[in-house]
Amino acid sequence: DAKTTQPNSMESNEEEPVHLPCNHSTISGTDYIHWYRQLPSQGPEYVIHGLTSNVNNRMASLAIAEDRKSSTLILHRATLRDAAVYYCILILTEADNQGGKLIFGQGTELSVKP
Amino acid sequence: GAGVSQSPSNKVTEKGKDVELRCDPISGHTALYWYRQSLGQGLEFLIYFQGNSAPDKSGLPSDRFSAERTGGSVSTLTIQRTQQEDSAVYLCASSPELTGELFFGEGSRLTVL
Repeated sequence: DAKTTQPNSMESNEEEPVHLPCNHSTISGTDYIHWYRQLPSQGPEYVIHGLTSNVNNRMASLAIAEDRKSSTLILHRATLRDAAVYYCILILTEADNQGGKLIFGQGTELSVKP
Repeated sequence: GAGVSQSPSNKVTEKGKDVELRCDPISGHTALYWYRQSLGQGLEFLIYFQGNSAPDKSGLPSDRFSAERTGGSVSTLTIQRTQQEDSAVYLCASSPELTGELFFGEGSRLTVL
């Protein structure tokens, strides 16, 4: 099964950029890379997703390595409300005969210091 | 509301009892996912549906767990003869397509005494 690996925890200072890494060395060509975050006592919240090209939205940017074996979620200016567990997820597609199965990394707990 | 709705939000049951958890996905979403999260742990995949069919049930922890989806909409997760290790938050998510953004419900917190 495809897996993702992430650091257990990271720290950031408020107003500074944060780069959250994820390794997915066994990714298949048609797997999408999704990032979610989870605040305490809440369900996960979608952040961003991509396939091959870098992606930007109002919440974050996603940088995908050329070989797709790793990606980095970039929060441009961390705020206290960004403190959460960030999950890097591969959405396996029908092409792998495993369509739709969610494979979660262990998540990175991001703490933001004022 | 327009989001994913789960019920009950909290369920306390005695060991050995059966429980049924319900998920109402966002209207029109074809993909539906169940997973669970034990206290302090990450998210564990259980099963996903594409329409009414469940191509992958490999995440179900034991044969006491079953899930169904009818009419391409509501899904129920049934746990028979509950055990204490079944205690967790059971989360449901839906998506308009297999590779799209997932919308999560708030979860059903199950406590087995």
